[in-house]
Amino acid sequence: DQQVKQNSPSLSVQEGRISILNCDYTNSMFDYFLWYKKYPAEGPTFLISISSIKDKNEDGRFTVFLNKSAKHLSLHIVPSQPGDSAVYFCAASPNNNDMRFGAGTRLTVKP
Amino acid sequence: DARVTQTPRHKVTEMGQEVTMRCQPILGHNTVFWYRQTMMQGLELLAYFRNRAPLDDSGMPKDRFSAEMPDATLATLKIQPSEPRDSAVYFCASGLGGALPEQYFGPGTRLTVT
Repeated sequence: DQQVKQNSPSLSVQEGRISILNCDYTNSMFDYFLWYKKYPAEGPTFLISISSIKDKNEDGRFTVFLNKSAKHLSLHIVPSQPGDSAVYFCAASPNNNDMRFGAGTRLTVKP
Repeated sequence: DARVTQTPRHKVTEMGQEVTMRCQPILGHNTVFWYRQTMMQGLELLAYFRNRAPLDDSGMPKDRFSAEMPDATLATLKIQPSEPRDSAVYFCASGLGGALPEQYFGPGTRLTVT
C-alpha cells in the first residue's frame, strides 16, 4: 500500500532551469513532509521539510510547496545545478517518527 | 563528524544462510529505523525503535526477519533463513524524534542472496 507516491521515476532538466519534483499522498493523517536526496552508494540525506500548518518552506535554491486539499507536495530547485543530479525521495509522517517514503525520482541536470 | 555507521557494506550469501546487519546510530539519538530499498518499492520501513524499545515492526516479514537493539549504540537486523527475494540495500537511520523528525541515514548494506 503506497501511501506516498512519486509518479515520475525520472526527470531531466537543463542547468540553470527550474526542476520540479512532485509527490502525492493518500493518508490525511500525515502532518509532516520531507524531501531527501540520495547519491549512488550513499544513504539518503535530509534536504528540506514542511509542516502541515504551512504551504511553503524555502531554503536557498530549494522550496517545498504543500497543497493539503490536493494531498500534493512539490520540490522546486532554482536554479538547477549539475551537482543536484541525484534521486529525490519524498517522505511523510503522521507522528514525526513513523515515516513513509515514495519510490524516488531520479533527477538529471545537464550542463 | 557524527554519522550512522553500518556493517557490512556488502554481503553476498547463499539462500538459507543467516545474515546479520549491524548499525551504530548517532550518539544521543533515541530513535532507530531499518529500511529496505528495492527498485519497485523505494524505501520500505521495516522496523523502528525508540529508546531501544521496538515500536513498529509491521513492515517486516516476521517469520524470517528480526530486529533488536542490544544497547543504545547497536541495532541489528537479522534474516534467517535468507532468500533471493531479500536481495536489496538495507539502510539504518537514527533521529531525535519528537519535534525534530529528520532522520540521518547510514550508507547501507547491499545484500545479495544467491
